[in-house]
Amino acid sequence: AQSVTQLGSHVSVSEGALVLLRCNYSSSVPPYLFWYVQYPNQGLQLLLKYTSAATLVKGINGFEAEFKKSETSFHLTKPSAHMSDAAEYFCAVSPSGAGSYQLTFGKGTKLSVIP
Amino acid sequence: ETGVTQSPTHLIKTRGQQVTLRCSSQSGHNTVSWYQQALGQGPQFIFQYYREEENGRGNFPPRFSGLQFPNYSSELNVNALELDDSALYLCASSAAGTARTGELFFGEGSRLTVL
Repeated sequence: AQSVTQLGSHVSVSEGALVLLRCNYSSSVPPYLFWYVQYPNQGLQLLLKYTSAATLVKGINGFEAEFKKSETSFHLTKPSAHMSDAAEYFCAVSPSGAGSYQLTFGKGTKLSVIP
Repeated sequence: ETGVTQSPTHLIKTRGQQVTLRCSSQSGHNTVSWYQQALGQGPQFIFQYYREEENGRGNFPPRFSGLQFPNYSSELNVNALELDDSALYLCASSAAGTARTGELFFGEGSRLTVL
């Protein structure tokens, strides 16, 4: 069984400030981990993924995330927030290995960026 | 490269009716998944199709059914609609057996309202 917990349903940061969105996972098998972003009235877009290679993963738009097995965490960060980063962010987990595309998503964190 | 397209974008039904939602996969993708996203929640996995067969299902009742066609497009059918079926239904395609394991490409969704 797998699950994802995203701490904080809503996070506000000032433009130029550090963005930190928290994600903890639970998985009985080695996981693949993902961050997706959803802009208003749009589908989800993949930001980055961890698939058991490097623990520090770099994604699009300057985002990165670090897989910490000891903490069962996969927090998303960006050094400097931009107004265009305002969106909802979802952390997701799936079993590792080819063939499984069944993602279990967290409830999401809505990011607001204050000018 | 054509992305994932879904139709209709919005629809309103009444309790007990039936609905069919349609999805065209991204070019070159052979796997389709459907997710339900209730208001304020993360997407929940409904089922997945590969080579026209269902090969994974989430915790949804049998009145949720689907099809995948030879051109990899897909349909989601929901019978005997209930008020709780009101949600955004997301289709996602992916390329099984490639290095892009677990990467889902989402459409913008079909928003279903059940009255």
